[in-house]
Amino acid sequence: EVQLVESGGDLVQPGGSLRLSCAASGFTVNTNYIHWVRQAPGKGLEWVSVIYSGGDTYYADSVRARFAISRDNSKNTVYLQMDALTAEDTGVYFCAREMATISSSWFDPWGQGTLVTVSS
Amino acid sequence: DIQMTQSPSSLSASLRDRVTITCRTSQNINNYLNWYQQKPGKAPKVLIYAASTLQSGVPSRFSGSGSGTSFTLSISNLQPEDSATYYCQQSYSAPRWSFGQGTILEI
Repeated sequence: EVQLVESGGDLVQPGGSLRLSCAASGFTVNTNYIHWVRQAPGKGLEWVSVIYSGGDTYYADSVRARFAISRDNSKNTVYLQMDALTAEDTGVYFCAREMATISSSWFDPWGQGTLVTVSS
Repeated sequence: DIQMTQSPSSLSASLRDRVTITCRTSQNINNYLNWYQQKPGKAPKVLIYAASTLQSGVPSRFSGSGSGTSFTLSISNLQPEDSATYYCQQSYSAPRWSFGQGTILEI
């Protein structure tokens, strides 16, 4: 079964750091594009970051220079290192695999999400 | 950046009704538009990709149309399990993906 499972969410103080994990099963992360998407409490979805199969990485302007996406092929896991956290980073973080045809792409599946709370 | 505007922001409908949700983009995205359903406490689930292609396993009550800057998601014969929030998403400017603000559907 193709599945993604996030972990690592926690309560952290402003200015602190946290590393989220996204463990994949049923497929290999190094041959796929893996994204992070977040959702603030009661709000909509916000794309955060992606790591391509070739290793290229991209970030939303709101997190660039503070967040870093990476992967460990031996563990079939993608990570999101989050530094200099602020209250605006609070929310549920989902990882998702990008699926594509020649003319379109979308996210499927998604993990169940992990909650990050930034508060003193 | 491509801006996405969904309407309405919320709606209420009855069993067996048909509803339509609209997504407009700030520039032409051809058919690079997806629709997701999200239920409380759950991850989003893709319903439609490439504007009108139904994802495998999704009931045929769901349909998508549109191209360019205007798109619609239609749900016919509404069922109780269709109560959810629906989001559009553009992949035209990938890797700079963006989502609409969501439409809450209450049955």
